[in-house]
Amino acid sequence: GAVVSQHPSWVICKSGTSVKIECRSLDFQATTMFWYRQFPKQSLMLMATSNEGSKATYEQGVEKDKFLINHASLTLSTLTVTSAHPEDSSFYICSARNRPGTGFSDTQYFGPGTRLTVL
Amino acid sequence: GENVEQHPSTLSVQEGDSAVIKCTYSDSASNYFPWYKQELGKGPQLIIDIRSNVGEKKDQRIAVTLNKTAKHFSLHITETQPEDSAVYFCAASAKASYDKVIFGPGTSLSVIP
Repeated sequence: GAVVSQHPSWVICKSGTSVKIECRSLDFQATTMFWYRQFPKQSLMLMATSNEGSKATYEQGVEKDKFLINHASLTLSTLTVTSAHPEDSSFYICSARNRPGTGFSDTQYFGPGTRLTVL
Repeated sequence: GENVEQHPSTLSVQEGDSAVIKCTYSDSASNYFPWYKQELGKGPQLIIDIRSNVGEKKDQRIAVTLNKTAKHFSLHITETQPEDSAVYFCAASAKASYDKVIFGPGTSLSVIP
C-alpha cells in the first residue's frame, strides 16, 4: 500500500518550453501533496505544498508563476514548469500524505522522481 | 523555520558493523521524525519514523532514538549489508507547519563487503 507514482520518469525539453509532471497516489486519497526539487548530491528542497481544491502554498524563493501546481483531485497533483531554462534542470520529487483520520496522516510517501533536463 | 542538521555527511563501514547517523533540529514544535533511504536516481523511501511521544523505536536491524530535550535523534543500523549502501536523510515535521517535512543534508553510507 501507499504507492505514489510520477510521470514521466524523465523528460528532455528545449529552453522556453513548458513541461508538466504528474504525481498520483495509487491506493490512497491524498488531501495534501508536496513538491520537492533535488540537485545532484544535495538534499530535497521543498518547493510547495498542494492541498486538494485550493491554491498551493509556495516556499520562499520559489516562483509561483514559473512552477504551476494543480491539485484537482484526491489522487492527482501536477507541476508545470513554464518557460523552462537550463537552470531548471533537476530531479523533481512529489510526496503524498494520507487523508487525516486514515491512520498516520503525517506520514509522507514519496514518488520515484522525475528527471528534467532542459537543453 | 525548522533547520535540520545531519552528521556525518559520509560514512564507510565494514559489512557486519554498525552505522550511526545523528541529526539535530531547531524547532521545538516538531513532533514527527522520519528517516528516508534514497538510492541513486530514485525517490526517498521511508525506512522508519518516530513520533515525539516515543523515545526509541526498532524495526529489525534499524532503530531510531529521540531526545526531545536536546532536540536530537539518531538512526542506528546494525549488521550492515552492502545493500544498505545509499544516501540516508533524516527529517522533521510539525503540525504547526502544516506537516511540511524538512530534510537534513543527507549521509552517504557505504558498506564495504
